[in-house]
Amino acid sequence: SAVISQKPSRDICQRGTSLTIQCQVDSQVTMMFWYRQQPGQSLTLIATANQGSEATYESGFVIDKFPISRPNLTFSTLTVSNMSPEDSSIYLCSVEGRINTEAFFGQGTRLTVV
Amino acid sequence: AQSVAQPEDQVNVAEGNPLTVKCTYSVSGNPYLFWYVQYPNRGLQFLLKYITGDNLVKGSYGFEAEFNKSQTSFHLKKPSALVSDSALYFCAVRDIGEGGKLIFGQGTELSVKP
Repeated sequence: SAVISQKPSRDICQRGTSLTIQCQVDSQVTMMFWYRQQPGQSLTLIATANQGSEATYESGFVIDKFPISRPNLTFSTLTVSNMSPEDSSIYLCSVEGRINTEAFFGQGTRLTVV
Repeated sequence: AQSVAQPEDQVNVAEGNPLTVKCTYSVSGNPYLFWYVQYPNRGLQFLLKYITGDNLVKGSYGFEAEFNKSQTSFHLKKPSALVSDSALYFCAVRDIGEGGKLIFGQGTELSVKP
């Protein structure tokens, strides 16, 4: 299993500002993902963080709003840009191995935009 | 496209009674199925998975799940519920046709009362 450290655990931000969330894994992993969990909702995949290349975004999510970096196999960041109250959610980092294995999740970042 | 449904938003159980959290899926091909639990202000924790083999899968914290191909179900069960089992439970399926990304159900809130 992988140990994932996600920072910050929570934040309250002003609208129009940006927040960068960090995800650190204790071992090298191939697949890293970012999810959003809106209040009372399930998880929605934002993007796959690709090491050394641009992230792969899911429908409805764009790089200008959610820029992602992945400089190496153990670290990734997600930035929520130009925030509005609708961005208030829990953001989760996840790592996976082979397709028949389970995913591991960070503890999440609870973001409130005021 | 693959999908997964959790028909109950909330399940209420008395401590010591058996519990069942329901999940049905729709896939083309063999399903890779997972259960996760989310405690308040925490990330998701893996409970168990079905990839192949025995239909009854045992997992963490005394939970088990039964894979039923004819009913396309993967219900989570525990013989004797604990108050500490109260949490949000997610069923998930691998979308093999979409690069293997996880598709989550909407979640079921389990409440175990003393």
